Amino acid sequence: GIQVEQSPPDLILQEGANSTLRCNFSDSVNNLQWFHQNPWGQLINLFYIPSGTKQNGRLSATTVATERYSLLYISSSQTTDSGVYFCAVIYNFNKFYFGSGTKLNVKP
Amino acid sequence: GAGVSQSPSNKVTEKGKDVELRCDPISGHTALYWYRQSLGQGLEFLIYFQGNSAPDKSGLPSDRFSAERTGGSVSTLTIQRTQQEDSAVYLCASSLSAGPSGYTFGSGTRLTVV
Repeated sequence: GIQVEQSPPDLILQEGANSTLRCNFSDSVNNLQWFHQNPWGQLINLFYIPSGTKQNGRLSATTVATERYSLLYISSSQTTDSGVYFCAVIYNFNKFYFGSGTKLNVKP
Repeated sequence: GAGVSQSPSNKVTEKGKDVELRCDPISGHTALYWYRQSLGQGLEFLIYFQGNSAPDKSGLPSDRFSAERTGGSVSTLTIQRTQQEDSAVYLCASSLSAGPSGYTFGSGTRLTVV
């Protein structure tokens, strides 16, 4: 199956700092989404972004499909941004393949 | 409904008992997934339903696991003769289609086998 790698695995930030999370995938994909799993386990869809760039408030994402990677930018981080960020891809219009996640801890 | 609804939210069961987990997808969504997340781990694919097509069961870890989707809507994941290693959060997601659209996850069922 397709391989999805996320980096870094863990990230500690001071409130107000910016960060970039990366997702690499091993094959052409039909869909890519970024999710935030909050400390209560709820998975929140951040971006559906198979290609191009999108922005939503302090978050933005860019996917370069031809080079098989996606980046999630978090600016002016807040403690509520803490949790695990997952990248997930759909390959061959079938099931999602998830990366192992980036665990973010934003300290006040 | 407005979102993907899963029930129960928490389930504690004794080893060897059978359990049923329910997922009620967003109305009109044709694609439905079940995933499992063990403590501190990523998401493991279990099964995928798309419309009236035969489900993709390739992720089910053993024959103790089965799932059905009635009328193209509600889905039930059944685990027979539960084992301690089945303890995990079971997540359901749905989408309008298997193509380019977003997926919405439910809040999950936390299963603890004692």
